[in-house]
Amino acid sequence: SQTIHQWPATLVQPVGSPLSLECTVEGTSNPNLYWYRQAAGRGLQLLFYSVGIGQISSEVPQNLSASRPQDRQFILSSKKLLLSDSGFYLCAWNRVIYEQYFGPGTRLTVT
Amino acid sequence: KNQVEQSPQSLIILEGKNCTLQCNYTVSPFSNLRWYKQDTGRGPVSLTIMTFSENTKSNGRYTATLDADTKQSSLHITASQLSDSASYICVVSHGSSNTGKLIFGQGTTLQVKP
Repeated sequence: SQTIHQWPATLVQPVGSPLSLECTVEGTSNPNLYWYRQAAGRGLQLLFYSVGIGQISSEVPQNLSASRPQDRQFILSSKKLLLSDSGFYLCAWNRVIYEQYFGPGTRLTVT
Repeated sequence: KNQVEQSPQSLIILEGKNCTLQCNYTVSPFSNLRWYKQDTGRGPVSLTIMTFSENTKSNGRYTATLDADTKQSSLHITASQLSDSASYICVVSHGSSNTGKLIFGQGTTLQVKP
């Protein structure tokens, strides 16, 4: 069966510090991968998606970037965090179009 | 503009009672509609998925309905339990998307009290 992992589960970082969140998927190959952010009391906002290694599409201009160094690995990064980057970050994957499975999430607090 | 709107924004009910959550969408072309349950601090988990040709789908005490003509869906929870306390998110797939991008509602926060 397929599983999706995210780490860390929680993170507290000062403004201006770098960020690296990791997502890995097991039990499947060549998945589509997605990064979402969920601000407190808000809906999910798609940040990036990837249909293959090295292929990244950005949905909104922002302080973040994404990379896909391996087939089942998706990384969300920032060189300098802003207060507005705080939120709940979710990674998701699918193989079949319109199916989507979410990871457990990372709670990021920028102080 | 492709949008998904949910109501109410929040809801409090007593354990054992039924409730219905609403979802209206303006996504076109429409592919399918899914209801997710998201526990606090966790990732969303799929409850049901319906295509335009399906009117009703059940998953235990959860029953989703879809009216593709009026572009409305509802999620009915029967005999609520404390564990039903969560956010319920309506998600619509855009029919022309080839990357699986979804359009999310803001969610309805349900609190079940003893």
